[in-house]
This record gives sequence, structure tokens and C-alpha cells, in this order.
Amino acid sequence: GENVEQHPSTLSVQEGDSAVIKCTYSDSASNYFPWYKQELGKRPQLIIDIRSNVGEKKDQRIAVTLNKTAKHFSLHITETQPEDSAVYFCAATPYKYIFGTGTRLKVLA
Amino acid sequence: NAGVTQTPKFRILKIGQSMTLQCAQDMNHNYMYWYRQDPGMGLKLIYYSVGAGITDKGEVPNGYNVSRSTTEDFPLRLELAAPSQTSVYFCASSLGLPEYEQYFGPGTRLTVT
Repeated sequence: GENVEQHPSTLSVQEGDSAVIKCTYSDSASNYFPWYKQELGKRPQLIIDIRSNVGEKKDQRIAVTLNKTAKHFSLHITETQPEDSAVYFCAATPYKYIFGTGTRLKVLA
Repeated sequence: NAGVTQTPKFRILKIGQSMTLQCAQDMNHNYMYWYRQDPGMGLKLIYYSVGAGITDKGEVPNGYNVSRSTTEDFPLRLELAAPSQTSVYFCASSLGLPEYEQYFGPGTRLTVT
């Protein structure tokens, strides 16, 4: 069935380094790929998204890349800061949202 | 705009009790969703609705019921609560599917003992 695999499940980086989280989806009909950030005890919030007619999108320190042929997309965070520490979820949307299992990012000061 | 609101924020239920989790949105979104998030885990879809009067099951519907009589409200009913239903419940809404952002409510933390 449809699923989204997300790796790694946990990621620790030093402040100022880059972080990369990868997702692979199964349904080739997927055409919208959002990323959500969830801080401890808070609700998930959209941080960036990409549509299937675009290969890369940037917003300040975060970027997302999409490879439709390989069915994978990645979140890149540069110059990480302590406030980037959170759980990040990817999702793919064929006809409904299918969320990945999440990546817990820790930025070490 | 209040966005998506949920009540209550916290609740403790005894096994076998029932309750309704309330969800409302003021963004005139057609699509609404209920997710549960177990500790340290991802989001699992319980039910969703594409408009007033239309609901459908998600991945984990057993033990829950929903109704959608208005565009704004999407309550989730728990019948005969069980410890396995201890979780954080998030309601969300979106303008449509699939290429639209989902807006999440603040969540309801439910404990069943």
C-alpha cells in the first residue's frame, strides 16, 4: 500500500552544521510534498512544501529537493540553531496525506 | 481568525467511559481530519471529512465515531474508552486535497486509566 519512509529517526548535529532528512514515497501519483515541524508539546506546523513540477525550493535556511524519478525528497537545514531542535515530519499526497514516521533533530550548542 | 480550536486540552477517562472531543475551524475549510499521536510516534489518521455530511475512515478508525453537520465543526466521539486510546489527538483542516496545507489544532491530551 501507500507509505512514506523517513530517515533518520534521530539526528544530532552541532550548532552551525547542516542537517538533511530524507523521505521516500511509494505512490507515483503523489504531487505535493510538505514538511512539518513539531516542537515539544506543540502542534505540527508547515515549514516548507514543494510541488511535483518543481525540483527544489528554498526559504532562508531551509530547502527541499524532489526527485520524482527516484520517488524521494529531502529537507535541508543549513546553519542550524538550537531553536531548530524539534521533530520533523514529511508527507506525500496522492489523494490524501501520508505522513512519514518523523525525525527527531537535536542541535547541540 | 482563531484557526483550528480543540476542547478540552486535557482529559482523564476511566475505562469504559465515553466522551466527545470538539474541533472547530473558522477558515471555511471543506476538509477536516482527526489524527492521533502516541508518545514519540508519528501521526495516524483516524477519520476525515471532505465536507458537511461526508466522512470516511482513515488508518485507525476502530473505537471512534465522527459526524460533520456543519462546515465549521468536526467532533470525535470515543465510545467505551480503552487504555490503548491514551494519546494526543489533533484535529486539522485544509482548503482541499491534495495540494493544500493542513492547519492543526493545539491538540487534546487524553489518558484512559
